[in-house]
Amino acid sequence: KNEVEQSPQNLTAQEGEFITINCSYSVGISALHWLQQHPGGGIVSLFMLSSGKKKHGRLIATINIQEKHSSLHITASHPRDSAVYICAVSPTGNQFYFGTGTSLTVIP
Amino acid sequence: EPEVTQTPSHQVTQMGQEVILRCVPISNHLYFYWYRQILGQKVEFLVSFYNNEISEKSEIFDDQFSVERPDGSNFTLKIRSTKLEDSAMYFCASGLRNQPQHFGDGTRLSIL
Repeated sequence: KNEVEQSPQNLTAQEGEFITINCSYSVGISALHWLQQHPGGGIVSLFMLSSGKKKHGRLIATINIQEKHSSLHITASHPRDSAVYICAVSPTGNQFYFGTGTSLTVIP
Repeated sequence: EPEVTQTPSHQVTQMGQEVILRCVPISNHLYFYWYRQILGQKVEFLVSFYNNEISEKSEIFDDQFSVERPDGSNFTLKIRSTKLEDSAMYFCASGLRNQPQHFGDGTRLSIL
């Protein structure tokens, strides 16, 4: 049983392209997280969302609670954006379900 | 910028042995977490910890696992009798209420 589904699994883009990664979930949540996992394995938290939209630099995250769907957008993509992007949801704030991740490669 | 630090970066242990993974969370953080990631698989939640007790634990976190905050700075994960399937990367994270978590770089645990 997968509480969190991400698409696409793999994504290759040319530098400068606009990128969208999607996340759908099946449980009620208190928050949704977007994480970035670097090729070396380290994990960085990008966004924590409970409603609406957040923006940080070239990254934008949106969530539609009624549709149980979130998107992560990257504008003007760059090779340094190459990483695995992971969606995670928390029903209670204390337990988390993770997606399998979207592996993004940005080609110069 | 403050960081979550994990030691060791790589631990090799014989099956059946006990192992303790150590984490130093960011000093003013109140919420602590352990996750694991088996090679090639997704990240999985193990346990959350607040106010010196477990808040939630997953089905993975059975009786062979325990967590402790022994001295107010370290946060440890103990695996009592390791199995081959415990081989994974273990991540510690810490945070404040309603704030994004900060992750450590992980400990790679290899069970032989």
